[in-house]
Amino acid sequence: GAGVSQSPSNKVTEKGKDVELRCDPISGHTALYWYRQSLGQGLEFLIYFQGNSAPDKSGLPSDRFSAERTGGSVSTLTIQRTQQEDSAVYLCASSLTGTGKGIGETQYFGPGTRLLVL
Amino acid sequence: GEDVEQSLFLSVREGDSSVINCTYTDSSSTYLYWYKQEPGAGLQLLTYIFSNMDMKQDQRLTVLLNKKDKHLSLRIADTQTGDSAIYFCAEKAYSGAGSYQLTFGKGTKLSVIP
Repeated sequence: GAGVSQSPSNKVTEKGKDVELRCDPISGHTALYWYRQSLGQGLEFLIYFQGNSAPDKSGLPSDRFSAERTGGSVSTLTIQRTQQEDSAVYLCASSLTGTGKGIGETQYFGPGTRLLVL
Repeated sequence: GEDVEQSLFLSVREGDSSVINCTYTDSSSTYLYWYKQEPGAGLQLLTYIFSNMDMKQDQRLTVLLNKKDKHLSLRIADTQTGDSAIYFCAEKAYSGAGSYQLTFGKGTKLSVIP
């Protein structure tokens, strides 16, 4: 597609349930990022994938959070045993190349998934 | 560590100029970005500036960079109601192990009064 797409756009779940959020990056982009945006906060980095390299998971807040990227394209962010503090907008971004210093690493964002944990 | 700060709110009248300010701390930054987030939408890249430049103009947008003071600003000329959004400043800086990461500010909510 022309841009980064994410699904679902909105998700309401009950505390304790697992959720899966999906991201389709821009075709040809090798790098993919997940961020979390809580109400009134900036963007919190969660995880970064670059090609076939091991992902940078340094931003994941707990072991309830995990992410996969299959075939170097689509990514799924999974939150297990959701808590109310997990309620946020989860944003995915992709870039042509990875976290180098050039402009090719400019990140393009999807519309986000709004997660509400009741 | 890196820190990017912005004022949280700005209100201007339609037709006036808006100036959104941002300060950052990491002197190793390479690019600085402005993203726009409209209600219910993701982040849209507005413009960026390379760290060895001090000004970039793109239609109604002017980006000014004072590298000495680590201060970045975004000026929107002839502000329109459609410019109402949250504007995020972001800095790309070296984070170690050969990689560069983006650090975002918390965003400035621009309200345009008709």
